[in-house]
Amino acid sequence: GNSVTQMEGPVTLSEEAFLTINCTYTATGYPSLFWYVQYPGEGLQLLLKATKADDKGSNKGFEATYRKETTSFHLEKGSVQVSDSAVYFCALSAPGGANSKLTFGKGITLSVRP
Amino acid sequence: GAGVSQSPSNKVTEKGKDVELRCDPISGHTALYWYRQSLGQGLEFLIYFQGNSAPDKSGLPSDRFSAERTGGSVSTLTIQRTQQEDSAVYLCASSQAGGSNEQFFGPGTRLTVL
Repeated sequence: GNSVTQMEGPVTLSEEAFLTINCTYTATGYPSLFWYVQYPGEGLQLLLKATKADDKGSNKGFEATYRKETTSFHLEKGSVQVSDSAVYFCALSAPGGANSKLTFGKGITLSVRP
Repeated sequence: GAGVSQSPSNKVTEKGKDVELRCDPISGHTALYWYRQSLGQGLEFLIYFQGNSAPDKSGLPSDRFSAERTGGSVSTLTIQRTQQEDSAVYLCASSQAGGSNEQFFGPGTRLTVL
């Protein structure tokens, strides 16, 4: 079946540090890939997505590139801010079929120190 | 416009009681999903509704769980004879029909079974 694996957390960084959060997936065909973010006290919201190989999703300074050859969708940001402190979830939805249910990774908590 | 709303925001119940959780999706969204977020299992898919099609119930963990969607809009998730392991945050999401369309999540209902 489909699965998503995220690096273990939590992660603590100083402001303006470089961020990488690893995500790899297992799926047949070409799934769509997503990063969702959950800020403290708020609901899940889409951060970025990519729907085909070599696509790059970007938003709020975050980027992730869909790598079919390594089945990865690592999240990066060049300079994190305190406001980026949140829980980050990598997810996929399987290609084809009517149900676009999301399969999530375990999530990783990011804390950014001033 | 209004986002996905869920009620109640918190529910505390005694083991063995039945509970109903409600979701109001974004107007015009034909796809509706229920997920569960728990410490041990992360984010798991429960059930999916799309228009008038039969729902995909493949994620429901037991026959104590059921859901319906009336008039293609509001959905109710019912848990009968609740158990302590049912304690979790239940999330509802809606989207335009299928594919890689963004799922918009509600704030969730935190269920605690004593």
